[in-house]
Amino acid sequence: AQTVTQSQPEMSVQEAETVTLSCTYDTSESDYYLFWYKQPPSRQMILVIRQEAYKQQNATENRFSVNFQKAAKSFSLKISDSQLGDAAMYFCAYNNTDKLIFGTGTRLQVFP
Amino acid sequence: DAGITQSPRHKVTETGTPVTLRCHQTENHRYMYWYRQDPGHGLRLIHYSYGVKDTDKGEVSDGYSVSRSKTEDFLLTLESATSSQTSVYFCAISRGDQPQHFGDGTRLSIL
Repeated sequence: AQTVTQSQPEMSVQEAETVTLSCTYDTSESDYYLFWYKQPPSRQMILVIRQEAYKQQNATENRFSVNFQKAAKSFSLKISDSQLGDAAMYFCAYNNTDKLIFGTGTRLQVFP
Repeated sequence: DAGITQSPRHKVTETGTPVTLRCHQTENHRYMYWYRQDPGHGLRLIHYSYGVKDTDKGEVSDGYSVSRSKTEDFLLTLESATSSQTSVYFCAISRGDQPQHFGDGTRLSIL
């Protein structure tokens, strides 16, 4: 069975600095998708970024980028120029059969 | 935002009572999902639907049933609510080849 592990329950970063959130997963499949979702205190689940496993190029969305290491089954999220509004829970998720499997989340605090 | 509406947004009820949560979409997406979110567990899939009257179980389906009689509506029923089902429930929709989009969640408290 596929699993997703986020080993950092909490992280903190100073405004304008860079932070990296870690995610590892386990699967025997070769074709799948990986996602990062953000959940602010409002409770909404917001898609941050998406990576297709067959693409070697790392996905980027403005200040958010990933480091996708397929062989190592690692999918980390880098947030550059952190802003106060980035404070939230971040969930890594895996999908290959139309069902998402989530990690347990990392709570990110951003300090002024 | 994707057109997903969950109702109610909050509910408090007593152990042993039936509870139904509704998810309504205006996107005509084929796939609909119900998750629960608990501290330390992230989101876990309860049931999902891949078409009208086509549903399947997820990871934590015991004690829950679902129905989908129309493309736009996906109902989650707790047949006899227990305190362990106190949680935040999320509905999500997907076309299948695109990421899932989530509703705003329903906070359910069972006393």
